[in-house]
Amino acid sequence: EAGVAQSPRYKIIEKRQSVAFWCNPISGHATLYWYQQILGQGPKLLIQFQNNGVVDDSQLPKDRFSAERLKGVDSTLKIQPAKLEDSAVYLCASSLVSRDNEQFFGPGTRLTVL
Amino acid sequence: AQKITQTQPGMFVQEKEAVTLDCTYDTSDQSYGLFWYKQPSSGEMIFLIYQGSYDEQNATEGRYSLNFQKARKSANLVISASQLGDSAMYFCAMREAKVSNYQLIWGAGTKLIIKP
Repeated sequence: EAGVAQSPRYKIIEKRQSVAFWCNPISGHATLYWYQQILGQGPKLLIQFQNNGVVDDSQLPKDRFSAERLKGVDSTLKIQPAKLEDSAVYLCASSLVSRDNEQFFGPGTRLTVL
Repeated sequence: AQKITQTQPGMFVQEKEAVTLDCTYDTSDQSYGLFWYKQPSSGEMIFLIYQGSYDEQNATEGRYSLNFQKARKSANLVISASQLGDSAMYFCAMREAKVSNYQLIWGAGTKLIIKP
C-alpha cells in the first residue's frame, strides 16, 4: 500500500515570495490534515479536510495561507506572501474517520524562508 | 492547561537497555485514544502504538508497550532492548471522542538518544 506522498521535500524561498506544497493521501482515506511543525515542537494542525470539505481551519493564518482539496483526494497548501516565521516542516497526514484510527504521515516539506 | 504533557525534553540511554518515555494527559472525556509516534531525523512521523481508554490490557507492538494507568492519566511508552535506530523524537498524542473531528492533541515530544 502506497503511503502519503508529499512534494517538494525541501524548499528555500525569500520572504514575501509565495510557495505551494502538494499532498496525495493514502487511497480511501477521507480525512486529510496539514500540520506545521516548528523545530523542537509538536505538530500544529493548520487545516483538516473531510473529503473535499473543510472540517477545521481555526489555526490557519488565512491572510497568507490557503489550502484546497478540490476532488477529495490531492491537496495543496499555499503560502503567499511568506514570512521568516513560516520556516518549518509542513506535514500532511491522512486517516480513516474513527477515534481509533491512526494518522499516516507523509515525509514532510522542509521550508526555509530567508 | 496542557492536555498532553511530556516532561522529558531529552534522554540518553545505553544501547540494549529498556527506556520509559513519560506522558500524562488531561481529559474529562470517558472515551479517548492515546497514540505514540516516532519522528526520526528524516522528519516523517511513524505510528508506533495505540491505546483506547476502554482497553483493559496494555497495548503492545513488538518492542513497544504502553504502560496505561488510567487513574493517574498516564500513558508511558516503554521500549525494550533499545537499539541505535531508536534515536529519534517521540510524541504522545490524544484523541477525544467528544471532539467530533477526531483531531489529535500533541505533546511537545521527547528526544531520545541511544548511546552505543
